[in-house]
Amino acid sequence: GQNIDQPTEMTATEGAIVQINCTYQTSGFNGLFWYQQHAGEAPTFLSYNVLDGLEEKGRFSSFLSRSKGYSYLLLKELQMKDSASYLCAVSDSNYQLIWGAGTKLIIKP
Amino acid sequence: DADVTQTPRNRITKTGKRIMLECSQTKGHDRMYWYRQDPGLGLQLIYYSFDVKDINKGEISDGYSVSRQAQAKFSLSLESAIPNQTALYFCATSEGDREAGELFFGEGSRLTVL
Repeated sequence: GQNIDQPTEMTATEGAIVQINCTYQTSGFNGLFWYQQHAGEAPTFLSYNVLDGLEEKGRFSSFLSRSKGYSYLLLKELQMKDSASYLCAVSDSNYQLIWGAGTKLIIKP
Repeated sequence: DADVTQTPRNRITKTGKRIMLECSQTKGHDRMYWYRQDPGLGLQLIYYSFDVKDINKGEISDGYSVSRQAQAKFSLSLESAIPNQTALYFCATSEGDREAGELFFGEGSRLTVL
């Protein structure tokens, strides 16, 4: 079966750095996506990785290792507004997205 | 105004009632999707449509039906609602293959079935 695993909840301090991990087992791979979802709101696109390595976009970076079936989202200089759920999703061989359950990130002052 | 609009945003109904959730988009995308989100679970795909004449079942289509009335409109129906269909429903759109994962979501429709 297809599976996406990510931690249920993480806590970090304002101004710090946090890394949210995602491991996956899917039938085929056409890219990995990270979305941010604030409570009660729609998910919004953060990043896309299809090749191994690090993609940096401002305070957010996303890393992919296809051989290990592993990705992480790195958030730097955490702000209170970064409190949200972070969803990992993999596009499989049919370009269908398989979603993880999300990681709820709590930022403390 | 939102690019992807869902109505209603909130609905409480009773078991056995027919419910329709509507979605319209101004992004000009051909691909539209309906997902449901439950606490502790990943987004689950109900139905998707790659154009007006193309409708496909997702992983949890039982108990649901859809209609693609136009490129911009995609509605989801629950013919006879049951309590375990209580969930947050999202409509989404996307462009072509590579961008198929870059989804643009509506604000969600929270459905409660009593």
